[in-house]
Amino acid sequence: GDSVTQMEGPVTLSEEAFLTINCTYTATGYPSLFWYVQYPGEGLQLLLKATKADDKGSNKGFEATYRKETTSFHLEKGSVQVSDSAVYFCALIRTGTASKLTFGTGTRLQVTL
Amino acid sequence: KAGVTQTPRYLIKTRGQQVTLSCSPISGHRSVSWYQQTPGQGLQFLFEYFSETQRNKGNFPGRFSGRQFSNSRSEMNVSTLELGDSALYLCASRVDGINKFEQYFGPGTRLTVT
Repeated sequence: GDSVTQMEGPVTLSEEAFLTINCTYTATGYPSLFWYVQYPGEGLQLLLKATKADDKGSNKGFEATYRKETTSFHLEKGSVQVSDSAVYFCALIRTGTASKLTFGTGTRLQVTL
Repeated sequence: KAGVTQTPRYLIKTRGQQVTLSCSPISGHRSVSWYQQTPGQGLQFLFEYFSETQRNKGNFPGRFSGRQFSNSRSEMNVSTLELGDSALYLCASRVDGINKFEQYFGPGTRLTVT
């Protein structure tokens, strides 16, 4: 079945550091890929998406590129801020099961001054 | 445009009771999905409703059920509550169309079963 694997957290960075959160997936066909972010006490917010190979999703300084050859969708940001502290979830939807998001376990990011 | 709303935000119930959670999707969104979030199991898909019909279902027991109304609002019901049902229940809505896969989540309902 479909699955998403994320790097274990927590990830602790100083403000303005470079962020990478690794995500790899297993799915048949050509899934669409997403990153969601969850702030304490809140639901999930869609951060960015990519729907086909080599697409780059970007939003608020975050980027991720859909790499079919390595089945990866790593999240990056050049300079993190304290306000980026949250839990980040990588997820996929496989065409044909378009309502069912399969999530990774989430990676907690803590950014300190 | 208003986001997805869920009521209530917090609930405390006793084992054996039943509970109903409500979700109002973004205006114009006809698909509503429900997810359970727990520390142990993470985020798991419960079911999806579209045009008042259940279109997809996850691997949860029959105690978990849902419905959708003609205005796209959805409810989920959990009967005979167990301690393990304590979780954050998230509702998500989306526009149903070709290549329209992104789902938008509400703030969730935190259910505690004692």
